[in-house]
Amino acid sequence: SFELTQPPSVSVSPGQTARITCSGDGLPREYAYWYQQKAGQAPVLVMFRDNKRPSGIPERFSGSRSGTMVTLTISGVQAEDEADYYCQSADSSGPYVVFGGGTTLTVL
Amino acid sequence: QEQLQESGPGLVKPSQTLSLTCTVSGDSINSDDYYWSWIRQPAGKGLQWIGRIHITERTNYNPSLRSRVTISLDTSKNQFSLKLTSVTAADTAVYYCARDNGYLGLAFDFWGQGTMVTVSP
Repeated sequence: SFELTQPPSVSVSPGQTARITCSGDGLPREYAYWYQQKAGQAPVLVMFRDNKRPSGIPERFSGSRSGTMVTLTISGVQAEDEADYYCQSADSSGPYVVFGGGTTLTVL
Repeated sequence: QEQLQESGPGLVKPSQTLSLTCTVSGDSINSDDYYWSWIRQPAGKGLQWIGRIHITERTNYNPSLRSRVTISLDTSKNQFSLKLTSVTAADTAVYYCARDNGYLGLAFDFWGQGTMVTVSP
């Protein structure tokens, strides 16, 4: 089965760069997507097709991939970026959608 | 700007059927560019995709839930629905409906606010 693994937590100080990773054996074949979820709210799409930003998402959010890992990078982290972040991909054999377990970003 | 709104009972008894409806504000439910999905999130845990439906009524389901899930579409009401049978406490979660935008790949670009469903006697 297609699984995605994320670190449970990442902590950075304001202004620093946060890197949130997501790994999975299926990732070389499939696009990755990223969502930001703040407490009590629905998730918001912040990255699609690995490195494309939806309209309205700040430029400090970027995405990249290398082999079986994709990375969401937030440059110049701000307090408002504190949230849970989920990676997502799809197993095209279904297709069916898979989410990573989520990473809590703490801004110190 | 698409808006989605979930509705349905907040409390379901064990072994019964959970039924939810998502109402879509715009006209995109009639477009073949989108799928319409259900996603859930137990308290304090991650997201789990349940399944999706297309205007052609083609469906895809999470293999782990497939035997208990049915997603249907009513374009005359701009709605799609979820039925989950034989529920247990493990099905207690916030349930979201979301639009899966084919232009972006397989990405959920609009979400409902979510509705809490508790399975309890």
